[in-house]
Amino acid sequence: AQKITQTQPGMFVQEKEAVTLDCTYDTSDQSYGLFWYKQPSSGEMIFLIYQGSYDEQNATEGRYSLNFQKARKSANLVISASQLGDSAMYFCAMREADNAGNMLTFGGGTRLMVKP
Amino acid sequence: DTGVSQNPRHKITKRGQNVTFRCDPISEHNRLYWYRQTLGQGPEFLTYFQNEAQLEKSRLLSDRFSAERPKGSFSTLEIQRTEQGDSAMYLCASSKEGYPDTQYFGPGTRLTVL
Repeated sequence: AQKITQTQPGMFVQEKEAVTLDCTYDTSDQSYGLFWYKQPSSGEMIFLIYQGSYDEQNATEGRYSLNFQKARKSANLVISASQLGDSAMYFCAMREADNAGNMLTFGGGTRLMVKP
Repeated sequence: DTGVSQNPRHKITKRGQNVTFRCDPISEHNRLYWYRQTLGQGPEFLTYFQNEAQLEKSRLLSDRFSAERPKGSFSTLEIQRTEQGDSAMYLCASSKEGYPDTQYFGPGTRLTVL
């Protein structure tokens, strides 16, 4: 089974509107971390936001917030007031505690396109 | 703080040649990771160093791949006898041990094997 699933291969959003990018995950660990990264066409992976499995409040970082629903195993990224520069690939990733390599497992990504 | 740097940014090579990539992590980060990303996919883990020790290797890392981090600072990833299937973006990331241990990525090295 896929550990990280991003069901939206591509999405359009109008500039200045909010958009939600979906992410569901699968783990049997009680302790894990969830990350979102942005990858512009230049290729660099840019860290956006982190949510720990024991964090009771949803994480927020500027225009980014994470809608964490633990029971549903979902960690959706919400971008408010979209800007043209938000056009990029967005990846959801998970790090499980029982993970000798401290590795991140990534989803397949969502391509976000912001329309002027 | 300067970010993670990788060199070269692009590498074109012929099948059968050896290539070596370099990664310089963020200076105070003791953990370093290599990932591979093929077109249209998310990155896949290759290997992990804590200081100079290589603690984990993915089964994706065949015998033709070797990674080192000799002094616990920069790292190199070498691919011997390259194959066309090795064509990908090779991403390096680093993190500082401790919560939340966020991994910060470099710009990547894009390898094309002809």
